[in-house]
Amino acid sequence: KAGVTQTPRYLIKTRGQQVTLSCSPISGHRSVSWYQQTPGQGLQFLFEYFSETQRNKGNFPGRFSGRQFSNSRSEMNVSTLELGDSALYLCASSWTGANLNEKLFFGSGTQLSVL
Amino acid sequence: SQELEQSPQSLIVQEGKNLTINCTSSKTLYGLYWYKQKYGEGLIFLMMLQKGGEEKSHEKITAKLDEKKQQSSLHITASQPSHAGIYLCGADSTGTASKLTFGTGTRLQVTL
Repeated sequence: KAGVTQTPRYLIKTRGQQVTLSCSPISGHRSVSWYQQTPGQGLQFLFEYFSETQRNKGNFPGRFSGRQFSNSRSEMNVSTLELGDSALYLCASSWTGANLNEKLFFGSGTQLSVL
Repeated sequence: SQELEQSPQSLIVQEGKNLTINCTSSKTLYGLYWYKQKYGEGLIFLMMLQKGGEEKSHEKITAKLDEKKQQSSLHITASQPSHAGIYLCGADSTGTASKLTFGTGTRLQVTL
């Protein structure tokens, strides 16, 4: 069974540009969450999608957005990139995300560098 | 919002030694997750604890949850180089697994 797949693995952008990251969850998983990891702030929750709807949202500006498709694949978009957006972006999937005893399975992440 | 504090921030141990990592929450813990991360990689699930006093073990790693103290500990027995990495505790204050708050992490190095 394939794990959570994130593409691309590495990305270099310049300030002001926008970027789209992709996440394919484990087959059958319907909940997809996104996290940002930086040396200064650690691992922070961005948002979670379930059945093509955003169900939970973290404290990030509106420049960060996402969506989920009918096959549960998810994308996140960051517009007007800032230097501080440089981070490892991690995607995680689970069956429903609604039960405390569910495991979150993480992808290897997309390392974004903003120059 | 819930905050998780991990200690120590980093740890260097000699192969074969035991070690303990602590995770303390500012709020009631409904569930506590432990993950391991290799630098720049994704997180690997280790264990999940739900009930106060619960203790789980997998190979040489044991995790305990002290609900009253709002604290969890991760203990590694007879450490090996393969145990090296960043250990993260995560918790959810909503009672679900969909929105986790993570601790700052403990970086573990195992020397030969």
